[in-house]
Amino acid sequence: GQQVKQSSPSLTVQEGGISILNCDYENDMFDYFAWYKKYPDNSPTLLISVRSNVDKREDGRLTVFLNKSGKHFSLHITASQPEDTAVYLCAARISSSFSKLVFGQGTSLSVVP
Amino acid sequence: EAAVTQSPRNKVTVTGGNVTLSCRQTNSHNYMYWYRQDTGHGLRLIHYSYGAGNLQIGDVPDGYKATRTTQEDFFLLLELASPSQTSLYFCASSPDWGGNTLYFGAGTRLSVL
Repeated sequence: GQQVKQSSPSLTVQEGGISILNCDYENDMFDYFAWYKKYPDNSPTLLISVRSNVDKREDGRLTVFLNKSGKHFSLHITASQPEDTAVYLCAARISSSFSKLVFGQGTSLSVVP
Repeated sequence: EAAVTQSPRNKVTVTGGNVTLSCRQTNSHNYMYWYRQDTGHGLRLIHYSYGAGNLQIGDVPDGYKATRTTQEDFFLLLELASPSQTSLYFCASSPDWGGNTLYFGAGTRLSVL
């Protein structure tokens, strides 16, 4: 089954608003969580990541929230800009073993004026 | 920043054809990965390697072979291409095992007619 799931294939947000991207996971052994960003015809790049010993991590306009009991993590983008329009991929893995980074299906974010 | 170069960028072949996708990274990373990206599936891991001569099976390996000839070079081979292998293929490398931070190439778009 899908170990990491992004249930919303797309999201549209007004410029200046908050974009909230969600990700659910199944394996409670996962302890590393990440968000990658992908523009059309470009390669994915790492945006932000957290380990399971924290519930929240901020980096500028980006905040990752981790809810371990709910097996859920999310990416909040404040003051959304048109250049935030991209596909966002969540990913997770077990960092203490030689295990694979598992990606979600992706959410296409559109920030409109 | 890690440099990962994929070739070709685009490839068209026919059903039953023989295709080799190439990936070279020049940052002395030990770990290399081949993913395919399809709408609704996100990134799915085909094969990966933690050094020259090593090969590990990913989540969707059927119909693919791979070979890691040197630390720098990782090849993906489709010996009898099928239309279901039409996809966007990404190579990635990482400096640490397990791939906490993946550096992706620009992608190869493959069409199997």
